[in-house]
Amino acid sequence: NAGVMQNPRHLVRRRGQEARLRCSPVKGHSHVYWYRQLPEEGLKFMVYLQKENIIDESGMPKERFSAEFPKEGPSILRIQQVVRGDSAAYFCASKRQGTDTQYFGPGTRLTVL
Amino acid sequence: AQKITQTQPGMFVQEKEAVTLDCTYDTSDPSYGLFWYKQPSSGEMIFLIYQGSYDQQNATEGRYSLNFQKARKSANLVISASQLGDSAMYFCAMRENQGGSEKLVFGKGTKLTVNP
Repeated sequence: NAGVMQNPRHLVRRRGQEARLRCSPVKGHSHVYWYRQLPEEGLKFMVYLQKENIIDESGMPKERFSAEFPKEGPSILRIQQVVRGDSAAYFCASKRQGTDTQYFGPGTRLTVL
Repeated sequence: AQKITQTQPGMFVQEKEAVTLDCTYDTSDPSYGLFWYKQPSSGEMIFLIYQGSYDQQNATEGRYSLNFQKARKSANLVISASQLGDSAMYFCAMRENQGGSEKLVFGKGTKLTVNP
């Protein structure tokens, strides 16, 4: 009964480097969501994916950010050329087709130096 | 305009007492869902309770209940018999069904402190 798994839990990058955040959904869940939480704020939606498809990326910055959920393997949120403003906690959530509740992973805390 | 409003930045409650955390929402979608999540200091997001817009009865999960008042667009969380471990941030969220996305929109949260 593994829940949503995210790694790494903490990631430190220097400005200009790339950050790759991984999310393995609950077994049997085909819907994956990524959210970002800035300090002292609620979570903000970034992107919604199903296997091999991006369904809604309306919350994702147009540049430097990309996401994928391949047929095999975890979902990946990729941030290229990170800047200090990218420092935040990034949460992945998953849910089963036809259900309502999204279950969250423990988050990845990204720090950009 | 904010879609989820949590007007209490911080709340204090004595151990073993009940506490209500407020949440109001704004949507024109007839079908929506309301959620409460708990975020302890360790940072994870823990699902507590869910209420669908068509549900006739208020949702309950153990010590958690959701006081759903549809006409007033409020979905307050009631925690009964507070415990020290209930100290955490609490977020209200609404599921939007725009374009089939079912993404969650979160409020800014309420920090609950349970005093011994």
